[in-house]
Amino acid sequence: DAGVTQSPTHLIKTRGQQVTLRCSPKSGHDTVSWYQQALGQGPQFIFQYYEEEERQRGNFPDRFSGHQFPNYSSELNVNALLLGDSALYLCASSLLDRDSYGYTFGSGTRLTVV
Amino acid sequence: GENVEQHPSTLSVQEGDSAVIKCTYSDSASNYFPWYKQELGKGPQLIIDIRSNVGEKKDQRIAVTLNKTAKHFSLHITETQPEDSAVYFCAALTSGSARQLTFGSGTQLTVLP
Repeated sequence: DAGVTQSPTHLIKTRGQQVTLRCSPKSGHDTVSWYQQALGQGPQFIFQYYEEEERQRGNFPDRFSGHQFPNYSSELNVNALLLGDSALYLCASSLLDRDSYGYTFGSGTRLTVV
Repeated sequence: GENVEQHPSTLSVQEGDSAVIKCTYSDSASNYFPWYKQELGKGPQLIIDIRSNVGEKKDQRIAVTLNKTAKHFSLHITETQPEDSAVYFCAALTSGSARQLTFGSGTQLTVLP
């Protein structure tokens, strides 16, 4: 049973460019959350998608946007990249059921902005 | 929103000794508390979790305790081994419509052989 898969694993972009990161959730999960993890810090919540809509959003600017597809996979888009956007971007899938608590994380995409 | 604080930020122990990492949370609506282990270049891996209706849970060498009144929970690793060396994160999940996993800042655990 495949877990959460993310692509690409590494990416180098120039300031001002745009980037798209992709995530396929664990089989059976319907919700995808994105996190940004700066070096030496804990993951910070960006947003969560369920039924192709953004359910919640953390304290991130509108430059960060996302999408969820009918097959539950998701994309994270970041526009007008800044040096400070360099981080590990993690995708986590879960089941939006009040009795379900498990979050499964992917290995992340390491984004470097130069 | 929820705020999770984690201590210590670094912890070194001798192989075979015990390690304890502590976290506090602020939102009394949080009802699920997982612990993750993150190795270099990998995503967080769940090692143990506890729900708010339970005070303690154990899985072999790993245990977690929860004090809802004080809003703190702890990870206990006994008989530590070099392969336990990693960064450990605590997290809290808030119940209700605003279900969101909030992480602590992490603890770098080093087990010295």
